[in-house]
Amino acid sequence: GESVGLHLPTLSVQEGDNSIINCAYSNSASDYFIWYKQESGKGPQFIIDIRSNMDKRQGQRVTVLLNKTVKHLSLQIAATQPGDSAVYFCAENSGGSNYKLTFGKGTLLTVNP
Amino acid sequence: DAMVIQNPRYQVTQFGKPVTLSCSQTLNHNVMYWYQQKSSQAPKLLFHYYDKDFNNEADTPDNFQSRRPNTSFCFLDIRSPGLGDAAMYLCATSSEGGQPQHFGDGTRLSIL
Repeated sequence: GESVGLHLPTLSVQEGDNSIINCAYSNSASDYFIWYKQESGKGPQFIIDIRSNMDKRQGQRVTVLLNKTVKHLSLQIAATQPGDSAVYFCAENSGGSNYKLTFGKGTLLTVNP
Repeated sequence: DAMVIQNPRYQVTQFGKPVTLSCSQTLNHNVMYWYQQKSSQAPKLLFHYYDKDFNNEADTPDNFQSRRPNTSFCFLDIRSPGLGDAAMYLCATSSEGGQPQHFGDGTRLSIL
């Protein structure tokens, strides 16, 4: 289920390093997962998605891994850049409806030059 | 070329004074959503439309209403805003289930 928190988990990395952001999802019946990037003052921006019949999907500099056994999703960002600094949310379809997404808490990624 | 456009970006209203937030889309998507997002929290779904079919979340207060006069436009009406309604309101669209939702940049609502 969705939990409410006042403090986001944070991840701080050096420019050029790889970043891994983790997410535990709640519903074993979810079959679609998505990662969003949200910069300050903007709406969430789609990064990459994955369906439950896959365990890995790659995009440009990003890879999503899905482990359905332990209900875990991760986002890997290669050669992290200062422009990658943002809050990252995972989301799953849920509630018996493919149209609705349930968002995870979010992780604040800070990239140090 | 913005695809989901929210107006205004910032809205200030008085306690108890009705306010309407607007969203338009150029994607011709069937589904439109309204989310509330408070500081350092995840977006929380208020309701969504599949075409003209309105779907309210069980925990969305009655104070929040929505209208979708046509495919392109959707409105969020807050009948009597309270201090707790100060938040970012996000509009999103999707073509169908199992597809990404596309978000606007939100309207930040302040209550005086």
